[in-house]
Amino acid sequence: DIQMTQSPSSLSASVGDRVTITCRASQDISNYLAWFQQKPGKAPRSLIYAASSLQSGVPSKFSGSGSGTDFTLTISSLQPEDFATYYCQQYYVYPPTFGQGTKVDIK
Amino acid sequence: EVQMVESGGGLVQPGGSLRLSCAGSGFTFSDYWMAWVRQAPGKGLEWVATIMQDGGEKHYVDSVKGRFTMSRDNAKNSLYLQMNSLRAEDTAVYYCARNIFEGVTADWGQGTLVTVSS
Repeated sequence: DIQMTQSPSSLSASVGDRVTITCRASQDISNYLAWFQQKPGKAPRSLIYAASSLQSGVPSKFSGSGSGTDFTLTISSLQPEDFATYYCQQYYVYPPTFGQGTKVDIK
Repeated sequence: EVQMVESGGGLVQPGGSLRLSCAGSGFTFSDYWMAWVRQAPGKGLEWVATIMQDGGEKHYVDSVKGRFTMSRDNAKNSLYLQMNSLRAEDTAVYYCARNIFEGVTADWGQGTLVTVSS
């Protein structure tokens, strides 16, 4: 199975900060990479697919980049509603696998 | 509005069975791959299974192969997960998900909790 490793596991940031989360795959996955946001007690929300394509309705403050094994999710200006846990996922091969998550909380 | 509503979760003893259902609305159910994803308490997300539009192709995570069966009834806009020989490690919230392409999850249900305990 392909292992997905996110860094950092957690970070503290302030409203208005630019935040970047990194995801590394254990092998080349081309651009078959998605990002999700999850708030406590809620279902995940799909943000990005194909490494950089925004899902319908997702604001442009979220952006993704990368290909091969290294990927990033950037939130351009952190807002109170963005404090959550973020997951990456590869869907290049079965089984699809998730990173362990990055918790973004308030500094 | 795309919506998926899961049901069927609950408390079951180890070795028991449970059938989860997911009712889809707001989209043409038969046009989409569908998936189940679970999340153990306090843990991360784990993909469980995926099914093709007509049910002809299915994929499962190794840990549930031979115990779980995913199916769908497009006439009823419904997705199912039959879970047999349940183990404590199957305890999780199970989410139904709509894939806009194979492997690409766009929408999620609210989840249903399955607890396997004696």
